[in-house]
Amino acid sequence: QKEVEQNSGPLSVPEGAIASLNCTYSDRGSQSFFWYRQYSGKSPELIMFIYSNGDKEDGRFTAQLNKASQYVSLLIRDSQPSDSATYLCALYGQNFVFGPGTRLSVLP
Amino acid sequence: GAGVSQSPSNKVTEKGKDVELRCDPISGHTALYWYRQSLGQGLEFLIYFQGNSAPDKSGLPSDRFSAERTGGSVSTLTIQRTQQEDSAVYLCASSIWGAQYFGPGTRLLVL
Repeated sequence: QKEVEQNSGPLSVPEGAIASLNCTYSDRGSQSFFWYRQYSGKSPELIMFIYSNGDKEDGRFTAQLNKASQYVSLLIRDSQPSDSATYLCALYGQNFVFGPGTRLSVLP
Repeated sequence: GAGVSQSPSNKVTEKGKDVELRCDPISGHTALYWYRQSLGQGLEFLIYFQGNSAPDKSGLPSDRFSAERTGGSVSTLTIQRTQQEDSAVYLCASSIWGAQYFGPGTRLLVL
């Protein structure tokens, strides 16, 4: 089993909808979880981090963590075409591991 | 404040030549990572520096690749005898308390 798994996509949602991006991981010792956004031709940009079980909201973004299920997700409300990018899940336990990313396409 | 900077932004070289890529991390960040990203692919971990500890070199693809970090700050990634398959974007990230902050990358093209 890979350390961090994400659906590669593309995930297509209409403008204004909620985009749901999911990530599962294998290392139960992971302590910190991060979501990065990477536009084509650009470097990854940190958009959220979460350490505790439950939800963490920041503007249109909500990160959800369930350590028992080894699952972290990112919800983007009121999706905009400018949200179209690849979203990388990452976690930090014994070391820092990135997932392969999910490509999101928000259709106008 | 200033973010992570990398130089050069683009580098074109001939097969067999050596190249040096530089990374200036965010001041005060204790950890520094190098990654490689080929077109349309994910991040490939290369090497990790944490403080004064020995670096984690487990991701370096061959002995043609090496990196150093001087004074706990600036890092240089060196690729000797470059090959065409080394063509990629090389990304540096500095980190504190787990979160990584990326530089703009160096786009390397080996002809």
